[in-house]
Amino acid sequence: NAGVMQNPRHLVRRRGQEARLRCSPMKGHSHVYWYRQLPEEGLKFMVYLQKENIIDESGMPKERFSAEFPKEGPSILRIQQVVRGDSAAYFCASSPPSVAGLGEQFFGPGTRLTVL
Amino acid sequence: SQQGEEDPQALSIQEGENATMNCSYKTSINNLQWYRQNSGRGLVHLILIRSNEREKHSGRLRVTLDTSKKSSSLLITASRAADTASYFCATDNYGGSQGNLIFGKGTKLSVKP
Repeated sequence: NAGVMQNPRHLVRRRGQEARLRCSPMKGHSHVYWYRQLPEEGLKFMVYLQKENIIDESGMPKERFSAEFPKEGPSILRIQQVVRGDSAAYFCASSPPSVAGLGEQFFGPGTRLTVL
Repeated sequence: SQQGEEDPQALSIQEGENATMNCSYKTSINNLQWYRQNSGRGLVHLILIRSNEREKHSGRLRVTLDTSKKSSSLLITASRAADTASYFCATDNYGGSQGNLIFGKGTKLSVKP
């Protein structure tokens, strides 16, 4: 019974390149959440998705960031034209439909993005 | 905006002692959760307490919630070196999309053997 999977675990990009972060939720979970964590900080919500639908993207920067959760395959967080300030750990979490945002979220191990 | 604020920011204790961490929040909530994060790892859910509950236990963990003071505490009894981690409280986005958790900055706990 695999948990939330994220890949890659570490990603290095040069300024101006694109970063693609992948998240496979736990089996049976159709709700996915992305969070960003800066060093010595708590997690900051970015976006909440269900299959083929963005429910809440109020935490996403207006430019360069996008997220999707297609009918088939993992959820993708895409950062275009990365800048040094995008360096952070990005965590994905999932939950079952019965819980949605009102209960426990199961977190993946995170992707640590470093922008050179 | 920051919802939960943990206190203290860092706590260092000896193995066997109890550790108490506090969390304050600003708005109404449906529930409050505590998570643990080991260095460089993802978050692990510890316990969830609903707004109509005042106290909850899970093994060596005891969580209290005071909605009138908008505060919660996490007590770890008989601490072990393996409890060394950062601990975060998180509240639901009351009145919002209900999809996201709002985290505090965490308490870094160090348990010395």
